[in-house]
Amino acid sequence: DIQMTQSPSSLSASVGDRVTITCRASQGIRNDLGWYQQKPGKAPKRLIYAASSLQSGVPSRFSGSGSGTEFTLTISSLQPEDFATYYCLQHNSYPLGFGGGTKVEIK
Amino acid sequence: EVQLVESGGGLVQPGGSLRLSCAASGFTFSSYSMNWVRQAPGKGLEWVSYISSSSSTIYYADSVKGRFTISRDNAKNSLYLQMNSLRAEDTAVYYCARNSSYWGQGTLVTVSS
Repeated sequence: DIQMTQSPSSLSASVGDRVTITCRASQGIRNDLGWYQQKPGKAPKRLIYAASSLQSGVPSRFSGSGSGTEFTLTISSLQPEDFATYYCLQHNSYPLGFGGGTKVEIK
Repeated sequence: EVQLVESGGGLVQPGGSLRLSCAASGFTFSSYSMNWVRQAPGKGLEWVSYISSSSSTIYYADSVKGRFTISRDNAKNSLYLQMNSLRAEDTAVYYCARNSSYWGQGTLVTVSS
């Protein structure tokens, strides 16, 4: 099984800050990775697919990069509506594997 | 617009059974593989089960293998999860998802005496 290690598990940031979240896969997954945002009481929403492609309707301040085993989600300028929990998901092989999540909180 | 609506959750005693449903609309259901994913209260996301578009390929997480059964009815645009021998640790919001892209809003399953 492929393990996904996500860091940090939480972070505090201010509006306007640049935020970076990382996921590491235990083995190569090409670019078979997505990034999701989840707000309390809501379903996860995909932001990025294929590691670096922006989902339609998602603001351009979100970007993804990486391939193989190292992946990054970047929020270029944090907005109030971005305070949420973020997860990576590998879909290269089953069982699917989620990262442990990163809670982005207001500083 | 893609819509996935889960139903069937509720309170069940340990050892009991429950059948979840997911009604799909806004896309050609029979062309897509589907997944169930769950989230225990205050915890992260956990993949549960996968079914291919034709039901020919099915996978389960080790934590539910032998207790849960995934199925689909393409004529009814519906996905199902039959959950037997439920345990307290199965308590979670259960989401159906089209591949890994679109997700429903989830249905809460609580296993408690």
